[in-house]
Amino acid sequence: GDSVTQMEGPVTLSEEAFLTINCTYTATGYPSLFWYVQYPGEGLQLLLKATKADDKGSNKGFEATYRKETTSFHLEKGSVQVSDSAVYFCAHRSGGSNYKLTFGKGTLLTVNP
Amino acid sequence: DVKVTQSSRYLVKRTGEKVFLECVQDMDHENMFWYRQDPGLGLRLIYFSYDVKMKEKGDIPEGYSVSREKKERFSLILESASTNQTSMYLCASASRLLAKNIQYFGAGTRLSVL
Repeated sequence: GDSVTQMEGPVTLSEEAFLTINCTYTATGYPSLFWYVQYPGEGLQLLLKATKADDKGSNKGFEATYRKETTSFHLEKGSVQVSDSAVYFCAHRSGGSNYKLTFGKGTLLTVNP
Repeated sequence: DVKVTQSSRYLVKRTGEKVFLECVQDMDHENMFWYRQDPGLGLRLIYFSYDVKMKEKGDIPEGYSVSREKKERFSLILESASTNQTSMYLCASASRLLAKNIQYFGAGTRLSVL
């Protein structure tokens, strides 16, 4: 069945370090891929998305590239800030569904000054 | 901006009580969702509604029901709360149009069942 596997946390980095959070998926058809972020005490908000192979989603310095050949959508940021501390969720919407999102388990990122 | 409002941030209920969690969205979205979020398990879909009075079971519907009498409001009902339903509950809404099919989330309701 459809699934999303993302890097288990927690991840702790110093400010200005490079961030990678790995995400791989299994899905039917041609899924759309998403990264959501959840700041402390808040709901999830969309960080970036990609809808077809080789698309790169980007926002707030974060990037992820839709790699169909490796079924991956890894999240990267070149220089993290303390304000990036949050839980990050990878998700996909299967090509066979126009509504259901399948989420990974989330990765807690803590950035220290 | 899209706004999804959940009526309570924190709730404490007793085992066996009937619990209502309310969610309202202001973007005229057709689709609305209820998830529960548990540490190490991520988000799991409880129920989904694609129109007024229409609903579909998600991955973990047991012990829950839903109501959608108006387009903007989607309620999650725990008929007889149990301790294993202690969790964070998240409501989301989305347009049915594929190009705009981004889910927008509320801030969540943290429910404790004692």
